[in-house]
Amino acid sequence: EPEVTQTPSHQVTQMGQEVILRCVPISNHLYFYWYRQILGQKVEFLVSFYNNEISEKSEIFDDQFSVERPDGSNFTLKIRSTKLEDSAMYFCASNLGFGGNQPQHFGDGTRLSIL
Amino acid sequence: DAKTTQPPSMDCAEGRAANLPCNHSTISGNEYVYWYRQIHSQGPQYIIHGLKNNETNEMASLIITEDRKSSTLILPHATLRDTAVYYCIVRAFYGGSQGNLIFGKGTKLSVKP
Repeated sequence: EPEVTQTPSHQVTQMGQEVILRCVPISNHLYFYWYRQILGQKVEFLVSFYNNEISEKSEIFDDQFSVERPDGSNFTLKIRSTKLEDSAMYFCASNLGFGGNQPQHFGDGTRLSIL
Repeated sequence: DAKTTQPPSMDCAEGRAANLPCNHSTISGNEYVYWYRQIHSQGPQYIIHGLKNNETNEMASLIITEDRKSSTLILPHATLRDTAVYYCIVRAFYGGSQGNLIFGKGTKLSVKP
């Protein structure tokens, strides 16, 4: 069964450094999402992306964050200057099309640790 | 905020049916009910979804009340591997929303031998 894959599984970065998290969505999917989950807290929506542009973003997704689909398969989340509070699990998700009948499928996440 | 209310935790005996309730009294007519689960810190796993009819797949059954204000996820024969946090989510597709999921705290299901 097709799945969303994320790399790396664990990323350790010094505070203030830039980090790029990578995702390969399911191949025929058109809508892409990033979520994060701080340890012990809820899963939180960050951003949705369709047709090479951001569709919707949350308050968390400030100017330090950016997303890109650099080629036909990858979907990336960049944090420009990481802070301690960016430490979290980051999940990528994708779904086939727009509408309530299209479930999102998630990857297993990247654990980001900021030192 | 999440539009759903779920009990924080439930126990179930291995091999028995697990019935997980969810209240969504403010659901709108075009909003779907989705269920996901999360095992440890893995990515949320899609289970099932529905609009107003009951649904069944290889993982579970979803029973939605006629007024759509509540639903029940049924795992017919729970195993130890079904121990997870289960999320009931009402998914919107209007007002500019692209259908992002709003997670609550979910129900922590513990399946016991």
